[in-house]
Amino acid sequence: AQTVTQSQPEMSVQEAETVTLSCTYDTSESDYYLFWYKQPPSRQMILVIRQEAYKQQNATENRFSVNFQKAAKSFSLKISDSQLGDAAMYFCAYRSTGNQFYFGTGTSLTVIP
Amino acid sequence: KAGVTQTPRYLIKTRGQQVTLSCSPISGHRSVSWYQQTPGQGLQFLFEYFSETQRNKGNFPGRFSGRQFSNSRSEMNVSTLELGDSALYLCASSSLTGALNIQYFGAGTRLSVL
Repeated sequence: AQTVTQSQPEMSVQEAETVTLSCTYDTSESDYYLFWYKQPPSRQMILVIRQEAYKQQNATENRFSVNFQKAAKSFSLKISDSQLGDAAMYFCAYRSTGNQFYFGTGTSLTVIP
Repeated sequence: KAGVTQTPRYLIKTRGQQVTLSCSPISGHRSVSWYQQTPGQGLQFLFEYFSETQRNKGNFPGRFSGRQFSNSRSEMNVSTLELGDSALYLCASSSLTGALNIQYFGAGTRLSVL
């Protein structure tokens, strides 16, 4: 079974600075999708960014970008110019070819004004 | 387009009781997945329904069950509640169209078992 590991339970960043959240996964599949979800204190989980495994180019969404290292099975999220509204729990997720999602245990991000 | 709606938002039950949670997916979405979220455990997959059929199932005891109706709305039932069932239960819907198969989450139901 696939597993997703987020080794940083908590992270903090100064407002306007850059922070990187780590995620590794274990799989024997070659075709899959990876996601980062954000869960603010209001609890509504929202999609931040996604990456198709067959694409070598790293995905970017405004201030959010990923560093996808397929051979290393690593999928980190970089948040640039951090804002107070970025404070949330961030979950890394893997979607298998069978359309099943696997989530990491999350990283709680604090943004310091 | 309305998002994923979960009801109720909060529930308080006692051990031994049973509970039913409801999830209305985004219009047009036929896949509904359920997750249990607890501190330190992240999201644990319960099961997924597609067109009224359970397609995937996580590693939870048989006390956890679900179903999906013809309008894609889904219910999750937990029987003989235990203290350890206290958690946030999240529902997610998706359209299952390849690269666009993104899960959209509801706000969750907070279940407290006393």
